[in-house]
Amino acid sequence: DSGVTQTPKHLITATGQRVTLRCSPRSGDLSVYWYQQSLDQGLQFLIQYYNGEERAKGNILERFSAQQFPDLHSELNLSSLELGDSALYFCASSVDPPGAIYFGEGSWLTVV
Amino acid sequence: QKEVEQDPGPLSVPEGAIVSLNCTYSNSAFQYFMWYRQYSRKGPELLMYTYSSGNKEDGRFTAQVDKSSKYISLFIRDSQPSDSATYLCAPSMKTSYDKVIFGPGTSLSVIP
Repeated sequence: DSGVTQTPKHLITATGQRVTLRCSPRSGDLSVYWYQQSLDQGLQFLIQYYNGEERAKGNILERFSAQQFPDLHSELNLSSLELGDSALYFCASSVDPPGAIYFGEGSWLTVV
Repeated sequence: QKEVEQDPGPLSVPEGAIVSLNCTYSNSAFQYFMWYRQYSRKGPELLMYTYSSGNKEDGRFTAQVDKSSKYISLFIRDSQPSDSATYLCAPSMKTSYDKVIFGPGTSLSVIP
């Protein structure tokens, strides 16, 4: 157990809908990362937050947004969902970049 | 040129073999290097975390970094069937503002 908690573990939703994925980082970690992993694809970096502020952005679609709250948990919002958004979404956290990052078990999103 | 490259495999070895997994990167600013193991559809698990060039050993695993050639290796001694997974390398830069980029991963299968 890495200490990073993600909910929900599985989610099935229809195209055009909106979902929110939640992440609680390890105790004491200030930095949160979000990654997307489609079937048989590598980990694609989406976005990083550090102590509530956005620090780095990857290939995150405009339909996606994220935030980190004062209690350091983070949410990834996915809207106007398309079939191609079906993927595993991982959250990871670290004490202070560029320290080692630790992953949660992921949220498996299926868009039908 | 991609920032981080790995041979995707699959690599198949007999139990007990020494396994060599390799990774190359293009950005000379990378200074921190991580190796992760990912079982199918599970969260990546941190195996090794090294800084700059040199070797680091942890049990059956040895990480080797050659910054001059931008080449990273992970060696697994006495490989076990439980080592069957995808191995991801992830170099990182020094500042707090840099994303952690993952290689596409090498799929390893250890045959009993």
